[in-house]
Amino acid sequence: GAGVSQTPSNKVTEKGKYVELRCDPISGHTALYWYRQSLGQGPEFLIYFQGTGAADDSGLPNDRFFAVRPEGSVSTLKIQRTERGDSAVYLCASSLTGGYTDTQYFGPGTRLTVL
Amino acid sequence: AQKITQTQPGMFVQEKEAVTLDCTYDTSDQSYGLFWYKQPSSGEMIFLIYQGSYDEQNATEGRYSLNFQKARKSANLVISASQLGDSAMYFCAMRETDNQAGTALIFGKGTTLSVSS
Repeated sequence: GAGVSQTPSNKVTEKGKYVELRCDPISGHTALYWYRQSLGQGPEFLIYFQGTGAADDSGLPNDRFFAVRPEGSVSTLKIQRTERGDSAVYLCASSLTGGYTDTQYFGPGTRLTVL
Repeated sequence: AQKITQTQPGMFVQEKEAVTLDCTYDTSDQSYGLFWYKQPSSGEMIFLIYQGSYDEQNATEGRYSLNFQKARKSANLVISASQLGDSAMYFCAMRETDNQAGTALIFGKGTTLSVSS
């Protein structure tokens, strides 16, 4: 079946602009995660959805970051007033139930560049 | 303290040889999962292998095996018969059950593996 997909693959924006990044998880997966990966580092957790609700948003760096998953499938990560420090690859992952033994499957990522 | 430590920034191996990528972890949980992912230059994170904290046997998946030493809190990845396509960044990750970040994965900084012919 289809894996996790993310759009766009690349996004270049100017400082201060608003951006939306989209994630389409594997069909039937109830758990969805967003991570951010800076150059030379491992991914860092941003937010976790179980169904439609954000079960844990403790990784969001500040209130400029927000994510939704209104129908329990597709999720959108929204960044307001972008800053150069937001430049990174944003990875989305999904898993079947969200349990600690569950494997998370990742999408190809969106590379965000803030000029 | 780092939760996941990968001490080898880069490793070099020749084709057909075996290589071990080191990973140590730190947790006070009894129930946790350990994962290895491969990230080629294309950027996608590819799941390789999983080991549960209660699993008594080391996990194996094809050419990948996980050398799990619970008392030492180590979960090294062994790749047998390396291939040129194995050249990539490899990440060790852990998920705890009692974690402020819910069931999110905690990643190490990764090891770059280079396979030569």
